[in-house]
Amino acid sequence: AQSVTQLGSHVSVSEGALVLLRCNYSSSVPPYLFWYVQYPNQGLQLLLKYTTGATLVKGINGFEAEFKKSETSFHLTKPSAHMSDAAEYFCAVTLRGGYNKLIFGAGTRLAVHP
Amino acid sequence: EPEVTQTPSHQVTQMGQEVILRCVPISNHLYFYWYRQILGQKVEFLVSFYNNEISEKSEIFDDQFSVERPDGSNFTLKIRSTKLEDSAMYFCASSGGLAAETQYFGPGTRLLVL
Repeated sequence: AQSVTQLGSHVSVSEGALVLLRCNYSSSVPPYLFWYVQYPNQGLQLLLKYTTGATLVKGINGFEAEFKKSETSFHLTKPSAHMSDAAEYFCAVTLRGGYNKLIFGAGTRLAVHP
Repeated sequence: EPEVTQTPSHQVTQMGQEVILRCVPISNHLYFYWYRQILGQKVEFLVSFYNNEISEKSEIFDDQFSVERPDGSNFTLKIRSTKLEDSAMYFCASSGGLAAETQYFGPGTRLLVL
């Protein structure tokens, strides 16, 4: 079985500060990993994903994440937070091969203050 | 850019009534999914669908639920006799093409059962 743990249900940063959202996964087989963002009253938008190859993946809006197999982690970072980054962020895992269900973490709500 | 659409955006119904939630997946996608998010909880997988058949379903997806692709563009989720605990945001997603592992989500339908 697969599972995802997101440490910190709420994270607050100052505008311009580093954003770090933590995600740890459990999977008996090498997984695919995703980060989605949900802005208020909107659906889930894909930020970035890791499937194979380079373990540091870059996504939209300046976000990136690094797959660390030894730590079973896929933390999301952004060097400098912007007010528009305020949203809820979900880490998700799925089995390799495509067309499989996503298992989501509980989400982390990011607040950005001036 | 192609996107998944869902209707209605909000639905209020009485307990015991039937509801149908509608989704139009991205046109060249062949895999379709429903997820739900009860307020304050994680996004949960309900069902996946391919080639006019259910590929996988969760334990949540009991006999009260059904899915259908009635034509070449729509994908529906029916709840036969709604319960209070069915109140949630329901997300449709689709995947396909070269990046088959990537699911694209619609904006959701917020269902309130009174």
